[in-house]
Amino acid sequence: SQTIHQWPATLVQPVGSPLSLECTVEGTSNPNLYWYRQAAGRGLQLLFYSVGIGQISSEVPQNLSASRPQDRQFILSSKKLLLSDSGFYLCAWSRQPQETQYFGPGTRLLVL
Amino acid sequence: GENVEQHPSTLSVQEGDSAVIKCTYSDSASNYFPWYKQELGKGPQLIIDIRSNVGEKKDQRIAVTLNKTAKHFSLHITETQPEDSAVYFCAARGYSGGGADGLTFGKGTHLIIQP
Repeated sequence: SQTIHQWPATLVQPVGSPLSLECTVEGTSNPNLYWYRQAAGRGLQLLFYSVGIGQISSEVPQNLSASRPQDRQFILSSKKLLLSDSGFYLCAWSRQPQETQYFGPGTRLLVL
Repeated sequence: GENVEQHPSTLSVQEGDSAVIKCTYSDSASNYFPWYKQELGKGPQLIIDIRSNVGEKKDQRIAVTLNKTAKHFSLHITETQPEDSAVYFCAARGYSGGGADGLTFGKGTHLIIQP
C-alpha cells in the first residue's frame, strides 16, 4: 500500500530564517505531487504541483519555492520566512493528474 | 478559475440525527468532487467522491449528491456518531486537458455531534 510522510510535524522558526519541509511517498512510482497551505479557519490553497522530477508548477506567487529532486520526494523551501508563512502545510499525491489526491499528516509551521 | 463555496461553516447536530453540508462550484467543466474529513492536527482524509457522470453515490452512512445543472453537490451523513465530529471539506476539480490540476477547496464545515 502507499503511504505519504511529512516532516517535521511541527516547526517554529524566526522571521527571516530559511525553511525546508520534506514530503516522501512510498509504494508507488511517478506520482503527481502537491503542496497545499491551510491557514487557520480557511480552506486549503494549492501552492505547487509536480508531474515528474524537476517539473514544478506554481499556482500562486509567494515567498516559497518547491523542488522535486527524486521521483517520490517533494520539498518546500524558503530563503527568508515571513510572518504570513505561518500555517499548516500539506503534501498530497495522486497516481494520475485527474485521480484522487491523498494527503500526508501535515507540518505545522509557526513563524515568530 | 474554479470557485467553491461551502455552507454552513459550523453545523451542530444531535447524535443520531442527519447532517447535510452543501457546496456550489463555478466552473461548469468541473468533473470530480471529493469530500475530505479532517480531524484536529491531521491531514484531510478522503471519505467519498463523485464524478460528473453520476448523480448520487452512497457508502454506508455517507452519501453525496451532485446537481450539475445547478452546479452544487452535498454531503449527507445519517445516524451521526461522536466520531463524525471533524472539519469537512468539499472540493472540485476541472479538466484542463491532462494538466496536473490541484483541487479547489471550500472553506470547510466544522461538524459538531452533540451527545
